[in-house]
Amino acid sequence: AQSVTQLDSQVPVFEEAPVELRCNYSSSVSVYLFWYVQYPNQGLQLLLKYLSGSTLVKGINGFEAEFNKSQTSFHLRKPSVHISDTAEYFCAVIRDSSYKLIFGSGTRLLVRP
Amino acid sequence: DAMVIQNPRYQVTQFGKPVTLSCSQTLNHNVMYWYQQKSSQAPKLLFHYYDKDFNNEADTPDNFQSRRPNTSFCFLDIRSPGLGDAAMYLCATSPGLAEQFFGPGTRLTVL
Repeated sequence: AQSVTQLDSQVPVFEEAPVELRCNYSSSVSVYLFWYVQYPNQGLQLLLKYLSGSTLVKGINGFEAEFNKSQTSFHLRKPSVHISDTAEYFCAVIRDSSYKLIFGSGTRLLVRP
Repeated sequence: DAMVIQNPRYQVTQFGKPVTLSCSQTLNHNVMYWYQQKSSQAPKLLFHYYDKDFNNEADTPDNFQSRRPNTSFCFLDIRSPGLGDAAMYLCATSPGLAEQFFGPGTRLTVL
């Protein structure tokens, strides 16, 4: 069965520091990969996606992620975080034969001044 | 702007009193989804429509029903809400094998 693992449930970081949120997936078939952000009491907003092509994907708000097929990873990075980046981040995958998103359990990014 | 709209944003109902949540989209996407999200958890898919084809998740309780009268609208009906149904309900749309676009959610409180 396909699954997505987010290794860290919470990541505290100081403002202007770099951050990496980790995501690993298990699949023997082609997948599409996504990172979503959720602010309190709001829906999910797409940060970035990998469908094909370049393995380094740039998204909104200065985030980027790198697809690593050999390590089955899709880690999210930002070189300098802001207080406003405090939110829940979900990694998700769609298998190429399905319309369903498989979510990781989420990582809460807590940016401190 | 094209978007996914959910009404109401906050809904309070009484234990056992039927409630309907609404979702509309201006994206003209084929696929519409309903998720349930409880505190500090990932969204859990309840069901989805591909056009008018309804797809129920195996573990979605019978208490939850859905209707999609046309491309733009989709409704979530909870026939007899229990305390355990209190959650955020998210609607999403997709053109197919691509990203999903989420609405702002409806937070349901059951008294």
